[in-house]
Amino acid sequence: GAGVSQTPSNKVTEKGKYVELRCDPISGHTALYWYRQSLGQGPEFLIYFQGTGAADDSGLPNDRFFAVRPEGSVSTLKIQRTERGDSAVYLCASSQDSFYGYTFGSGTRLTVV
Amino acid sequence: KQEVTQIPAALSVPEGENLVLNCSFTDSAIYNLQWFRQDPGKGLTSLLLIQSSQREQTSGRLNASLDKSSGRSTLYIAASQPGDSATYLCAVKGPGNTGKLIFGQGTTLQVKP
Repeated sequence: GAGVSQTPSNKVTEKGKYVELRCDPISGHTALYWYRQSLGQGPEFLIYFQGTGAADDSGLPNDRFFAVRPEGSVSTLKIQRTERGDSAVYLCASSQDSFYGYTFGSGTRLTVV
Repeated sequence: KQEVTQIPAALSVPEGENLVLNCSFTDSAIYNLQWFRQDPGKGLTSLLLIQSSQREQTSGRLNASLDKSSGRSTLYIAASQPGDSATYLCAVKGPGNTGKLIFGQGTTLQVKP
């Protein structure tokens, strides 16, 4: 596609529920990244995919967070047993590879009530 | 551990002024540095990417400089306009095959007509 697409744009869920956030990168971009941005802060790295594999998942905060990219294009970030502290904007970005500049999506605003 | 700091956190200027935003980083071993713009409720738009071997990059009214040895970058905006009002973020990428960007907290700019 022309840009990085993230769905849904907004998600409100109850504490303890499971959520999935989707990222559709620019066609042909092999590198895909997830970041999390809290209010008034810069984005924080979560995970980086090169193709289908997670090349660096050091930013995932705990084992409730998991991400997949089974066919090397679309990625899904999965959060189990959501907590109020998970509320943030989740940003996805893609690039031709890790050495090029990034293109970010508009983000998914997750609110856990 | 790389840390990125942006000063000031907020800036308000009258239309037409030239201004400088500052970014500093603690580890000079970077691969590149990128400046982004973020409008309220939106994702990040890449403005300028400076490779570690470069000293500056220019795009229209924007000029970004990089001094790796001192751990500093500046974003110069000439003849500011109300449409420039946004949050500006800088991010550095470390060496090696890592996709991780380390972001500053951003500078929120308001240009008053």
